Amino acid sequence: RKEVEQDPGPFNVPEGATVAFNCTYSNSASQSFFWYRQDCRKEPKLLMSVYSSGNEDGRFTAQLNRASQYISLLIRDSKLSDSATYLCVVHTGGFKTIFGAGTRLFVKA
Amino acid sequence: DAGVTQSPTHLIKTRGQQVTLRCSPKSGHDTVSWYQQALGQGPQFIFQYYEEEERQRGNFPDRFSGHQFPNYSSELNVNALLLGDSALYLCASSSRGWNEQFFGPGTRLTVL
Repeated sequence: RKEVEQDPGPFNVPEGATVAFNCTYSNSASQSFFWYRQDCRKEPKLLMSVYSSGNEDGRFTAQLNRASQYISLLIRDSKLSDSATYLCVVHTGGFKTIFGAGTRLFVKA
Repeated sequence: DAGVTQSPTHLIKTRGQQVTLRCSPKSGHDTVSWYQQALGQGPQFIFQYYEEEERQRGNFPDRFSGHQFPNYSSELNVNALLLGDSALYLCASSSRGWNEQFFGPGTRLTVL
């Protein structure tokens, strides 16, 4: 089993749609959680941190469920510019960072 | 404020050769992590440097080694290159640890 698993992509959605990505992690001692966005042939960029209380940044909402070892990202009112690969990231104890394989999103006009 | 910089941007080597990649962290950051990203995959953690010491390592062979300098910049060395080492090598920096990381543009290594 992979340490961090994400929904297989790609997701193809029309502009204005709401889309949700899921991610599970296997190490219950994991301490910090993030969503990164990666455009084609570019470096990953931090989208948002994920907290147990949930957090929202404009059209983006992230949730963490420690009991189920589950992280989610919700994108509302999708824009063409949201097309990218979304990477779930988990920091385990001991300074190790684990990335999921990523979920590709295509937003169509 | 310069972000994370990496050099070179592209590199072509042949099997068996050695390569050195370089990274300068974002201003104010003291921690550097290196990742390997194969096509279609997420970045794989190679190791992290802090205070000029390797303090965490991923599942990579000893052919992969690194160094961090007093100015916090870092090098990744790969010996005895294999075809499977072809990938995008990413450097990420962070402050006082390993929370929010900022990535450089990467070095694309091709091994022929």
